Parts: sequence; C-alpha cells; structure tokens
Amino acid sequence: DTGVSQDPRHKITKRGQNVTFRCDPISEHNRLYWYRQTLGQGPEFLTYFQNEAQLEKSRLLSDRFSAERPKGSFSTLEIQRTEQGDSAMYLCASNIPDGPQHFGDGTRLSIL
Amino acid sequence: DAKTTQPPSMDCAEGRAANLPCNHSTISGNEYVYWYRQIHSQGPQYIIHGLKNNETNEMASLIITEDRKSSTLILPHATLRDTAVYYCIGTGANSKLTFGKGITLSVRP
Repeated sequence: DTGVSQDPRHKITKRGQNVTFRCDPISEHNRLYWYRQTLGQGPEFLTYFQNEAQLEKSRLLSDRFSAERPKGSFSTLEIQRTEQGDSAMYLCASNIPDGPQHFGDGTRLSIL
Repeated sequence: DAKTTQPPSMDCAEGRAANLPCNHSTISGNEYVYWYRQIHSQGPQYIIHGLKNNETNEMASLIITEDRKSSTLILPHATLRDTAVYYCIGTGANSKLTFGKGITLSVRP
C-alpha cells in the first residue's frame, strides 16, 4: 500500500496560465475526492468520483475548474486562467465504500 | 454533516496523555465521528472513527458519550511528533468530509 500520490508537490505559475494536477489513489480505492485548503483553514470539499463517474461538485468548483477520472484510477484537476485566489493546497483523498478517506500530501499552487 | 465544536488549542507534556474534546450535539444517528490530524505541509492523516462504541487502535482511543453529543480523542502517551492540528468531523460513512478549524495540540518537552 503506497498511499495516495499527488504530483507535482509544488506548482508556481503566472496569473492567467492553465495548470493541471494529478492524483493516484490507493490501489483498488474506487472513490476519489478533491479538496482545497487555504492558509489557516481546514480543507474544503471540491468534488468526488466513484470509479469514473463524477457524482458531486461543490459550488467552490467554478467553471474554470475541471476534474476527470477517465479510467476510474488516477484523476486530474485542471484550473484554467488561474487567478490569485486560486493559490492554495489542493488535496486528493481516496477510500473504499464505508472506509475512511486517506489523503495525499497535496499540491501547493502559488500564483504570481 | 454535523456541526462540531473544538477549542482552538491545548497543550500537554510529552509522555502524558492528551485528551482532545469535541462537541457534536447535532450529530444524527447514522453519522460517524471521524478524527484526522494534519502536520504542517502534509495532508490530513486519518486517526480513528466511531459510531456509538468506544474505539481503540494503534494510534489513539475514541471515547463517545452515550448520548453521542460529544467525544474525546485520547493519545495515551503524547510525543513531540504528535504536535499537529486535530480535526473532529461528524458525517456519514460515504460522505465528503467537512473540516472546521480544528484544535492545535502542542506537545511540550
């Protein structure tokens, strides 16, 4: 069990650029979640997949955000036309039904 | 999700038990109490969860009151590495997690 893996760990980009993050869940975990965490706050839910189906999206997930999980394994989160307010830690978690969510160490995004 | 209330911070001496309280008076019958902790620059780490009964694992014990309106996370022998933000969350077994601000535990030498 290698844990949830996220890549990259850090991303620095200029405002207006597009960025994409990747999450590899724990093997055989069919549920995958994305959260966002800003400084001094707890993580906030963004979206959730069961296998390849995106079943829930938060109002925080604006039109500039899109998440995919095409084969029900890894997932990507893309942010288009980044803004200063997108600076945050983006966390991924996975679980099996009725099991606790296990988190990766996140991707820290900094917008210049 | 149940609203949870935690004190903002507490400290304890290394080697002593750390008892972290959480109030969740609005928790519904099918909602679990989950505890996570987060060390700086890392993702949240799952600690333990329970529904009605007290639970114990290799990391901690969870004591849930009979009326389920509050619970206590117990770290039996705190070490410096247990210094972290601890989150108490009340939610369904297959639901998203709603994090509050948590309680910052400082373990002093």
